[in-house]
Amino acid sequence: SAVISQKPSRDICQRGTSLTIQCQVDSQVTMMFWYRQQPGQSLTLIATANQGSEATYESGFVIDKFPISRPNLTFSTLTVSNMSPEDSSIYLCSVLSGAYNEQFFGPGTRLTVL
Amino acid sequence: DQQVKQNSPSLSVQEGRISILNCDYTNSMFDYFLWYKKYPAEGPTFLISISSIKDKNEDGRFTVFLNKSAKHLSLHIVPSQPGDSAVYFCAANSGGGADGLTFGKGTHLIIQP
Repeated sequence: SAVISQKPSRDICQRGTSLTIQCQVDSQVTMMFWYRQQPGQSLTLIATANQGSEATYESGFVIDKFPISRPNLTFSTLTVSNMSPEDSSIYLCSVLSGAYNEQFFGPGTRLTVL
Repeated sequence: DQQVKQNSPSLSVQEGRISILNCDYTNSMFDYFLWYKKYPAEGPTFLISISSIKDKNEDGRFTVFLNKSAKHLSLHIVPSQPGDSAVYFCAANSGGGADGLTFGKGTHLIIQP
């Protein structure tokens, strides 16, 4: 399975600011995904990020709010822009890997917006 | 509209017995189903998956059963161990597993000594 790291592991931010979250994988992968888990809720897919193409966003998520970069096959960033307290969540990246298209997740970034 | 449902927020099972976690789905396009285990402050850990062309998949103490006509799947853990105490998420996707996942709300499994 792929080994995935995320930076930062946690952060506390002021409303109106932006935070960029990094996701690094130890092997080359074609498909990467970004999810968020709001307090007490399940995981929700934000977008799919494939190298060399624009990210594909799910309903309710827009590029201006959550811009994503995917410069190569081992790295991606998610920016949470113009933050409000409602953006307080755990943000997770995942990659498609394995013989049966399993998705493996990073440890997550816990974001608190004051 | 929740497409993947886990109707039991929590489940308590005695150590050594069988744990059965249930999941229902509504989207007929789902063709790949996965179970994840999550500890606090960690990302979900992949446990086991099943394709819609199968009705059972087994890996050690974990077995997943799929009933397509009922749109229901279950995860069996036997025997249950204290380290199994965690939140378990059911997830599904289409495209043979290559799409983003739709998750249920999770079931908190507590293994009693």
